[in-house]
Amino acid sequence: AQSVTQLDSHVSVSEGTPVLLRCNYSSSYSPSLFWYVQHPNKGLQLLLKYTSAATLVKGINGFEAEFKKSETSFHLTKPSAHMSDAAEYFCVVSDLGDDKIIFGKGTRLHILP
Amino acid sequence: DAGVIQSPRHEVTEMGQEVTLRCKPISGHDYLFWYRQTMMRGLELLIYFNNNVPIDDSGMPEDRFSAKMPNASFSTLKIQPSEPRDSAVYFCASTLLGGGTEAFFGQGTRLTVV
Repeated sequence: AQSVTQLDSHVSVSEGTPVLLRCNYSSSYSPSLFWYVQHPNKGLQLLLKYTSAATLVKGINGFEAEFKKSETSFHLTKPSAHMSDAAEYFCVVSDLGDDKIIFGKGTRLHILP
Repeated sequence: DAGVIQSPRHEVTEMGQEVTLRCKPISGHDYLFWYRQTMMRGLELLIYFNNNVPIDDSGMPEDRFSAKMPNASFSTLKIQPSEPRDSAVYFCASTLLGGGTEAFFGQGTRLTVV
């Protein structure tokens, strides 16, 4: 069965500095991996997805993530944080052999002025 | 398409009452998922359907919870009787295919049981 672990429940960075949100996954088959963002009192929006094509995936709002099979990781990065990036971020795994979509516990990103 | 539509957006009810949450998936999507979000447990998958058939309900917390999908355009999540610990935001999501495809989420229903 698939699972996902987000290593930090909270991350704080200063505006203009890089962002790193860490995610490790476990999957029995070839996984599809996603990052979703949730702004306060809002629904969830897809940032980016990996589905066995290029290992470096670019998403919206300047975010990107790299799939590393050897490390079973799919960390989310952004070169320069903006105040509007403050939100909760979820790493998600889904196996092609299993239709479940499993969420990590989430990482709340705080942007300091 | 208007996206996944959930109703109501907010629900306040007294302990012991029946609560019904509703979801309209995106037209043409074959999969529908119900999630519950709380501060303590994050986003938990409760149940999902494929072509209106429940596939996995192992996440449903107890018998007080039930979900149906009578047709491709409508699903309900019912709690009877409701308890304060059921207070959470409930999300519905739909996908075109199954695993590996993007899930589109509704805005959620914030349930408060007093």
